[in-house]
Amino acid sequence: EADIYQTPRYLVIGTGKKITLECSQTMGHDKMYWYQQDPGMELHLIHYSYGVNSTEKGDLSSESTVSRIRTEHFPLTLESARPSHTSQYLCASRGVAGWGTGELFFGEGSRLTVL
Amino acid sequence: SQQGEEDPQALSIQEGENATMNCSYKTSINNLQWYRQNSGRGLVHLILIRSNEREKHSGRLRVTLDTSKKSSSLLITASRAADTASYFCATDGETSGSRLTFGEGTQLTVNP
Repeated sequence: EADIYQTPRYLVIGTGKKITLECSQTMGHDKMYWYQQDPGMELHLIHYSYGVNSTEKGDLSSESTVSRIRTEHFPLTLESARPSHTSQYLCASRGVAGWGTGELFFGEGSRLTVL
Repeated sequence: SQQGEEDPQALSIQEGENATMNCSYKTSINNLQWYRQNSGRGLVHLILIRSNEREKHSGRLRVTLDTSKKSSSLLITASRAADTASYFCATDGETSGSRLTFGEGTQLTVNP
């Protein structure tokens, strides 16, 4: 079992609300990632971090922001949610034994619906 | 451009049959990984094959990698209803900076 946790699992909110999706891992991994996935579709990388105080934008443009103040915590924030933000958000971390190796460990996902 | 395209998009078989899924990619890689996702859940890592490997086995899973054709296949032997899920390949590119790029996935349905 992967020790990476996402909350909330499901969230339904109105347009314009600010939301934060939480992601925590207890494996001591430096690398963490946020992916966005629509049902039955591919994953798109929206943010990643290589360690504390390191954050980068991914391949898919996103209006969300992230922070990495502690190794174990990588929250994602939407300042003003819109219906176009409706999706599943998956957090992952990676333990790397050497450059270019290592699997991703995923949380169970946060399914966001914006009305 | 899409890195990691899978074929077929959907596959429906009977229990006991073998399931084969294919993945093609465009750039040079360090390794290629396969993941499984049950509906509405996170992804679970299945197997990793390095660029200098050609075949790898894990239980009922067999993965092949052909770097000259930039393709990989995942074979699940003696499938079970519990194997029903989406399967994704992910490439760890040489210049991707430790970021994995996922394919579109294959939805496998195993009928009892």
